[in-house]
Amino acid sequence: KAGVTQTPRYLIKTRGQQVTLSCSPISGHRSVSWYQQTPGQGLQFLFEYFSETQRNKGNFPGRFSGRQFSNSRSEMNVSTLELGDSALYLCASSSDRRLGYGYTFGSGTRLTVV
Amino acid sequence: KQEVTQIPAALSVPEGENLVLNCSFTDSAIYNLQWFRQDPGKGLTSLLLIQSSQREQTSGRLNASLDKSSGRSTLYIAASQPGDSATYLCAVLRAGGTSYGKLTFGQGTILTVHP
Repeated sequence: KAGVTQTPRYLIKTRGQQVTLSCSPISGHRSVSWYQQTPGQGLQFLFEYFSETQRNKGNFPGRFSGRQFSNSRSEMNVSTLELGDSALYLCASSSDRRLGYGYTFGSGTRLTVV
Repeated sequence: KQEVTQIPAALSVPEGENLVLNCSFTDSAIYNLQWFRQDPGKGLTSLLLIQSSQREQTSGRLNASLDKSSGRSTLYIAASQPGDSATYLCAVLRAGGTSYGKLTFGQGTILTVHP
């Protein structure tokens, strides 16, 4: 079965612009989480969506936002890009943690802000 | 606040060696612990998932153990191969309603297996 699909794979943006990243979870998975990975900070949690509702949010400024659609696909948006937003953005999907399932990650979107 | 530490930060071994990667976490109230592998510039590949009620999981040459009371997990790799070279990450999912979707990761162990 298809895995978690993230698009695009690479992006180059200019400071001050905004960007939208997309994540399609594994079929049947309703939970989608987003992470930022940088060499200095490692993997940091951004937010999680379940059935179109944001259930959890990490410690990131309001420039980082997301949403989830009825088909469980999710997007995250970063407005007013800063150089420090350059990172690998990963999304993960899961069915239901209460059933003990783990998380499956996509290949990520590499964002470079110049 | 959950903190996850991985030791060592880097490891270089000759092919064929058995090796152990360590992971410790500060809050024992977890749902599960997951080990991942990450190749340079790529996403995370799940290796093993251990539920909080389990003691270990095995997949091929990999064996992961969990001691929740002491806040420790180990990943054992038998007969290492050059293709095992990657960064290994452990992550815990804390129990409780505020932890939805939030895995807490260690900084990873960079493994190099040379021929």
